[in-house]
Amino acid sequence: EVQLVESGGGLVQPGGSLRLSCAASGFTFSSYWMSWVRQAPGKGLEWVANIKQDGSEKYYVDSVKGRFTISRDNAKNSLYLQMNSLRAEDTAVYYCALVVVPAATEYYFDYWGQGTLVTVSS
Amino acid sequence: SYELTQPPSVSVSPGQTARITCSADALPKQYAYWYQQKPGQAPVLVIYKDSERPSGIPERFSGSSSGTTVTLTISGVQAEDEADYYCQSADSSGTFVVFGGGTKLTVL
Repeated sequence: EVQLVESGGGLVQPGGSLRLSCAASGFTFSSYWMSWVRQAPGKGLEWVANIKQDGSEKYYVDSVKGRFTISRDNAKNSLYLQMNSLRAEDTAVYYCALVVVPAATEYYFDYWGQGTLVTVSS
Repeated sequence: SYELTQPPSVSVSPGQTARITCSADALPKQYAYWYQQKPGQAPVLVIYKDSERPSGIPERFSGSSSGTTVTLTISGVQAEDEADYYCQSADSSGTFVVFGGGTKLTVL
């Protein structure tokens, strides 16, 4: 059974940093692209970042470029999101998701974790 | 940028057919994917590659595509289908993923 368990969320002041983790199990982690998707309170889904199996390709939504870094440790079956220079508008539930790539330039999210809440407030 | 447009809400009575559209504003159109999200829960994939249904998803869920518009159809809507539905695609360069704004399906 595929399991994705996020951790690391919490309350942080504007300008602060936070590192999210996602522990994966039930599948061959090193064989899949992975992603972070977020959802602000009462709002829709927003893709944040993707990372290729070996970490050689990473893509980000414009609003987090230069502030967030996605990474992975295939030996630990873990995905990470380092978030720096946090803003109030980064407040959201952050989901870790297993990405399926059915064809070049196509992505979709087959499994999701339950999410971890990040609140940016003073 | 690449955007997907969904109606904010759709309402149907139990047993009726619900149709939720998702329009892309740019060509070429990539495949579309649909997710169901119930309050307090993570999203669940219900349709992939425009019209394919994952295992475990009821047959009443179907998808179709015409031009730059894709449609999620739920036939014989049940009370348990009340949820938010999101379409999702990617730009043609494969460097950007986008979600539609979401549609709240209300079962009257």
